[in-house]
Amino acid sequence: QVQLQESGPGLVKPSQTLSLTCTVSGGSISSGPYYWSWVRQPAGKGLEWIGRIYFSGSTDYNPSLKSRVTISIDTSKNQFSLKLSSVTASDTAVYFCAREGSGSRTDSWGQGTLVTVSS
Amino acid sequence: SSELTQDPAVSVALGQTVRITCQGDSLRSYYGSWYQQRPGQAPVLVMFGYNKRPSGIPDRFSGSSSGNIASLTISGAQAEDEADYYCKSWDSSSNHALFGGGTKVTVL
Repeated sequence: QVQLQESGPGLVKPSQTLSLTCTVSGGSISSGPYYWSWVRQPAGKGLEWIGRIYFSGSTDYNPSLKSRVTISIDTSKNQFSLKLSSVTASDTAVYFCAREGSGSRTDSWGQGTLVTVSS
Repeated sequence: SSELTQDPAVSVALGQTVRITCQGDSLRSYYGSWYQQRPGQAPVLVMFGYNKRPSGIPDRFSGSSSGNIASLTISGAQAEDEADYYCKSWDSSSNHALFGGGTKVTVL
């Protein structure tokens, strides 16, 4: 049973870059055919897909965030990461890392981590 | 358009049946998937493909799809089914996933 765990600062200042890492255990991040993704959820609101990465490094991003998002992968550490630049208060949310299988179904999720953007 | 539309809320009497729908053009090409999210918890996959349930999901959950509408049905709703439910699909025109706005299911 694969497990995912998000880590990173819980507080980021406006205009700075949000950085989170997801550590995968119980399975290799290099094993296809899975993608590794990020999803966020502002308090009291719905889920928003941010983007995903394949072990090869191939990425797909939400067009609404694409200009500010970078997702990378480190297969040696079994981790993947999210960077979101130029953050504002509207980027305050719980951020989930997750595994996507075929058909973009998300079959494993981290517990989520709250990131607050505030000075 | 690149959107998935869900009713914001539905209610169902204990033991009765409720159907949640999700509408969007991307569903004409992809079956989509459904997620249950209880307060303070991560989402859980409850349905994918054409009526496929992950292991551990009760068989009172079923799925269907027709045209641009996907549906999740809970037959014999239980108190523990009270949660938010989200549909998800893939937009192949711009290669990104999208979630519906979510449906809050209340079991009376």
